[in-house]
Amino acid sequence: ILNVEQSPQSLHVQEGDSTNFTCSFPSSNFYALHWYRWETAKSPEALFVMTLNGDEKKKGRISATLNTKEGYSYLYIKGSQPEDSATYLCASYSGGSNYKLTFGKGTLLTVNP
Amino acid sequence: NAGVTQTPKFQVLKTGQSMTLQCAQDMNHNSMYWYRQDPGMGLRLIYYSASEGTTDKGEVPNGYNVSRLNKREFSLRLESAAPSQTSVYFCASSVTINEKLFFGSGTQLSVL
Repeated sequence: ILNVEQSPQSLHVQEGDSTNFTCSFPSSNFYALHWYRWETAKSPEALFVMTLNGDEKKKGRISATLNTKEGYSYLYIKGSQPEDSATYLCASYSGGSNYKLTFGKGTLLTVNP
Repeated sequence: NAGVTQTPKFQVLKTGQSMTLQCAQDMNHNSMYWYRQDPGMGLRLIYYSASEGTTDKGEVPNGYNVSRLNKREFSLRLESAAPSQTSVYFCASSVTINEKLFFGSGTQLSVL
């Protein structure tokens, strides 16, 4: 994997459903994985920054896991609410002399009441 | 708490015109960034400043210049705007490189 890839591109769920989406990233030279939440007409806001293989982070009903060896991260939302509707971005930071935080294209989540 | 402040919010330019996008942060962050967001693309890094006094090219630097005026301010200049530079521009900052980013509210730029 050369780029950061997110799937699915979009999904619609019903209020109360739990959902998850995937971020795949290059596992070589991995340094950190960021997750951001981006609501329409607002700016992206950081959810998590993870660095260690097996890392798990939680913020309310949202949690994330990280597998650096195979190059993927999952974002979980438990009991989705309409206010969770947003685009969720992941970004992978590759170490080295040149800063390189590469963003995926995002997963657009719509939660129907 | 202002956070990251970008100006202007909207701008329309004609091809060949120049302009500067301003960005300031009040969080005492060392690192600052300029990204652009285009439909169907992820956020792409134009330039960044790891610390006051340094600037480096990102993924898409052509057609842009930057100035890290001081620790608070990081401006992006388009010397001769082109239609391909029509985009939404975001300034961001972080405590240091690779810490979580704090984004400004964005600038919608159209080049006709």
